[in-house]
Amino acid sequence: QQQVKQSPQSLIVQKGGISIINCAYENTAFDYFPWYQQFPGKGPALLIAIRPDVSEKKEGRFTISFNKSAKQFSLHIMDSQPGDSATYFCAASKRGGGSNYKLTFGKGTLLTVNP
Amino acid sequence: EPEVTQTPSHQVTQMGQEVILRCVPISNHLYFYWYRQILGQKVEFLVSFYNNEISEKSEIFDDQFSVERPDGSNFTLKIRSTKLEDSAMYFCASSEGGNYGYTFGSGTRLTVV
Repeated sequence: QQQVKQSPQSLIVQKGGISIINCAYENTAFDYFPWYQQFPGKGPALLIAIRPDVSEKKEGRFTISFNKSAKQFSLHIMDSQPGDSATYFCAASKRGGGSNYKLTFGKGTLLTVNP
Repeated sequence: EPEVTQTPSHQVTQMGQEVILRCVPISNHLYFYWYRQILGQKVEFLVSFYNNEISEKSEIFDDQFSVERPDGSNFTLKIRSTKLEDSAMYFCASSEGGNYGYTFGSGTRLTVV
């Protein structure tokens, strides 16, 4: 019940195209859904996040779509650029004791944007 | 922009040896975390720490692991007797509280030989 399932494992997109990465969860106690971007040798960096009371959030070229009834959420990268080539992780968190929030990550998607 | 700083960036140790991984969280953050990422796999939660005690720990965080905040700035992860399967990237993270400002460091790559 704690799992977050992410697909696809890898994705190749042409420059200017749309990249779509999907995630699904089971635990309805999750209340925060971030996406992280990770470059080789670096830590995960927060890209964009959404709470379950909204169905979509957009920040620049990045959009999260959230379907609470289906327990699914996805990341859309519009006008994909070679600099977007990285590993993307979806995650989900719920409140633990106090304000402790543990993140549960998906397995990651390696995105390659070809010039 | 404030950063979480981790040292060393890479550590090689012999099986059975103790290692201490160090982290300097963002100064006004109150919640501290360790995660690990085995090569090519997902990032996994190890432990969270608040008010000088462990808030939550995963099944991975067994008796071989311990965490400490020895002073007002450092947060350490100790592995008492390393095993080959402890080889991974270890990430420290900190947050103000809740999900606010949840920031990861660049990680320490631990190689156990």
